[in-house]
Amino acid sequence: DGGITQSPKYLFRKEGQNVTLSCEQNLNHDAMYWYRQDPGQGLRLIYYSQIVNDFQKGDIAEGYSVSREKKESFPLTVTSAQKNPTAFYLCASSITSGNTGELFFGEGSRLTVL
Amino acid sequence: QQQVKQSPQSLIVQKGGISIINCAYENTAFDYFPWYQQFPGKGPALLIAIRPDVSEKKEGRFTISFNKSAKQFSLHIMDSQPGDSATYFCAASSAGTGKLIFGQGTTLQVKP
Repeated sequence: DGGITQSPKYLFRKEGQNVTLSCEQNLNHDAMYWYRQDPGQGLRLIYYSQIVNDFQKGDIAEGYSVSREKKESFPLTVTSAQKNPTAFYLCASSITSGNTGELFFGEGSRLTVL
Repeated sequence: QQQVKQSPQSLIVQKGGISIINCAYENTAFDYFPWYQQFPGKGPALLIAIRPDVSEKKEGRFTISFNKSAKQFSLHIMDSQPGDSATYFCAASSAGTGKLIFGQGTTLQVKP
């Protein structure tokens, strides 16, 4: 089945550690996105990529890093510089980067900093 | 100017009732307005979307009403069912930006 796979579903991290969240899609979509979800704040864009080997900062990129070496993969690293990393992270993709329509989301990764 | 403001934050409706969620925006360049539905522990999924050339779009029990002059749009869920209990997000984007701006979300509970 086509879709977006995020892993791990749950992740615990000690303060000061970097962690990497995986996002893989087999929809052959050009654009991929990372959002952070916190209660009462909606979904906030961290980074997005319109094409392989290119990505742009979203609204809350500080403390995060990404790479886009392959079309189907867009991993997110939460670095120790992120001051409040405990959140639900959602990866999404779309056919193109323009507002032509639908974002397809994965099931999310819940990160807890101990 | 990039914000999308959504209300109410939470909503409780009896089965068979009408659920109404409202959103407002400032950026007049926005030209695509989707609504997403999210069940607990899952990612959001597109429910219905509208572009500003129409004032209303209906798909089954779900209707978007759009008021361009007021820069507001709303989601109406007719004959609400317990299975509709979820979090709903409005969103907006403008052509070519590649960025979808989401509202704060509304948690809907439909009581049987």
